Amino acid sequence: NAGVMQNPRHLVRRRGQEARLRCSPMKGHSHVYWYRQLPEEGLKFMVYLQKENIIDESGMPKERFSAEFPKEGPSILRIQQVVRGDSAAYFCASSPKTYNGYTFGSGTRLTVV
Amino acid sequence: SQQGEEDPQALSIQEGENATMNCSYKTSINNLQWYRQNSGRGLVHLILIRSNEREKHSGRLRVTLDTSKKSSSLLITASRAADTASYFCATDARSEKLVFGKGTKLTVNP
Repeated sequence: NAGVMQNPRHLVRRRGQEARLRCSPMKGHSHVYWYRQLPEEGLKFMVYLQKENIIDESGMPKERFSAEFPKEGPSILRIQQVVRGDSAAYFCASSPKTYNGYTFGSGTRLTVV
Repeated sequence: SQQGEEDPQALSIQEGENATMNCSYKTSINNLQWYRQNSGRGLVHLILIRSNEREKHSGRLRVTLDTSKKSSSLLITASRAADTASYFCATDARSEKLVFGKGTKLTVNP
């Protein structure tokens, strides 16, 4: 069981480009969560998804950010027209239907130059 | 505002000593969790304590929960240099969405 896989580990984008972050949950986990961590800060919730459904997106910025978890394939967090303030570590976590704590991926560190 | 707030922000101890970190939160919770994060890495789930539990142990870790005071503590006994990391508490209120504090940065000196 490979755990929660995120890629890429590091991503550099110029301002105005698009960033696509991928997350493959643990086998058997149907719930996916995305969090963002700024330097020296805790994690901030962004969005909670189940297969083909967005359950809670209360932490997502209203513009430029979107997330999906299709029937097949990884969950994708997409940031359009990136700005310097989007530079952060983005973590994905997954849990099984019976919740007993998350398993986090190693994160994608996005740098906008 | 932050649901979980860890205290202290930073803690430096010698190997073999015990480390105690505290977490306070504001609203009612279903459970409280502690995570560890090594520098530049992802989070590792340490322990989950439910709102109807008062104490839980896992190896050298001991977590207490006082719902009347809305606080929790994480005790690491006989610390090792490898315990050096940031420790976060996280709470969930009515959903599975976790709210994290800013963390306690623990340094264990050999």
